[in-house]
Amino acid sequence: NFMLTQPHSVSESPGKTATISCTRSSGNIADNYVQWYQQRPGSAPTTLIYEDNRRHSGVPGRFSGSIDRTSNSASLTISGLRTEDEADYYCQSYDPVNRHVVFGGGTKLTVL
Amino acid sequence: QVQLVQSGAEMKKPGASVKVSCKASGYTFTDYFLHWVRQAPGQGPEWMGWISANNGGTNYAQKFQDRVTMTRDTSINTAYMELRSLTFDDTAVYYCARDGSGPRHWGQGTLVTVSS
Repeated sequence: NFMLTQPHSVSESPGKTATISCTRSSGNIADNYVQWYQQRPGSAPTTLIYEDNRRHSGVPGRFSGSIDRTSNSASLTISGLRTEDEADYYCQSYDPVNRHVVFGGGTKLTVL
Repeated sequence: QVQLVQSGAEMKKPGASVKVSCKASGYTFTDYFLHWVRQAPGQGPEWMGWISANNGGTNYAQKFQDRVTMTRDTSINTAYMELRSLTFDDTAVYYCARDGSGPRHWGQGTLVTVSS
């Protein structure tokens, strides 16, 4: 079993770029796809990125995903920040040993 | 477009069971797994398990292994999640989500409140 660790919170100004990390505790980040979700208060999660770096349909190009083998982590980058980007963001991957889905603990993004 | 519509909110007493439904449309139901994910108030998503809509095979998170059952009815493109022996800690929003390298398309969620 592995864990996905995210920073509890990230804060950035409108128009700037925010990056949220997701570090895998064991095993290689590149071995299993990483997905990213956005969740606004009172709403269901919505998929932003799937398979490490592919944007879900309708997701603006301001959102991008990547993985870094050296730090064994995935990142979600949001450029041109808007106040509407304030939300919780979760990463997710898959544990092939037990075929279970693993979620990160979530990052609260504040745009101010 | 892919759409998952879940059943309405439920209020249950401790020790009872709840069964949540998830009706799928906009794709071939039997081509994908369906995940069930719950989210307690103020907490992150917690994966409960998945069901193959094709053959009904399941894989449950160890935490729920003993008291969850996931089923599906291919004649009406609907999946179900039953959770037994409810406690106050089971108060949460329960989501179904269609697979696509992990949960991809999400239902609107079903609030289950456990209260005496």
